[in-house]
Amino acid sequence: AQSVTQLGSHVSVSEGALVLLRCNYSSSVPPYLFWYVQYPNQGLQLLLKYTSAATLVKGINGFEAEFKKSETSFHLTKPSAHMSDAAEYFCAVTLTQGGSEKLVFGKGTKLTVNP
Amino acid sequence: DTEVTQTPKHLVMGMTNKKSLKCEQHMGHRAMYWYKQKAKKPPELMFVYSYEKLSINESVPSRFSPECPNSSLLNLHLHALQPEDSALYLCASSQEGGRIETQYFGPGTRLLVL
Repeated sequence: AQSVTQLGSHVSVSEGALVLLRCNYSSSVPPYLFWYVQYPNQGLQLLLKYTSAATLVKGINGFEAEFKKSETSFHLTKPSAHMSDAAEYFCAVTLTQGGSEKLVFGKGTKLTVNP
Repeated sequence: DTEVTQTPKHLVMGMTNKKSLKCEQHMGHRAMYWYKQKAKKPPELMFVYSYEKLSINESVPSRFSPECPNSSLLNLHLHALQPEDSALYLCASSQEGGRIETQYFGPGTRLLVL
């Protein structure tokens, strides 16, 4: 069954430093993977998604992620953190059930950006 | 327009009350979802509607009753809730519910059950 594991429930970086949020997947079929961001008291916003077209995926706000099949990973990176990047980040995979698709989320990583 | 709207933003209800949450989208999407999110936890799927028919029910207690009156509107009727049902309830929609489709989320309704 498809699932994702996010390593590190909290990540803290300095403003201007590299952001690296880790996500590993488990899937018996080609996975479709997503990164969502949630700001406090808000819904989820899609950052980027992998749908097998290209292994390096660029998203909004300067984020990108690389799909590595050999490592079963889909880590999220940003070269230079901004204060506005402080939020909760969720990795997700789609799972087929009853003819419909559902998103299964990782436990989330809270990103703190220090001035 | 990629907006999903949810009303109300906040709701406080007693355990004997009946209330409803409303979700609306005008993107022409045919799949709509209800998620429940507890504090510091990821969203958990509750229901999926595909073409206005319930396609996934994640064994949600009957005190939660979803309804999809038309392709743009999704309701969640609440009755006899428990304090542990207090959470952020998120609605989402996608084009047709396919594997690679983006789900667009609303801002959520924060529910407090007293």
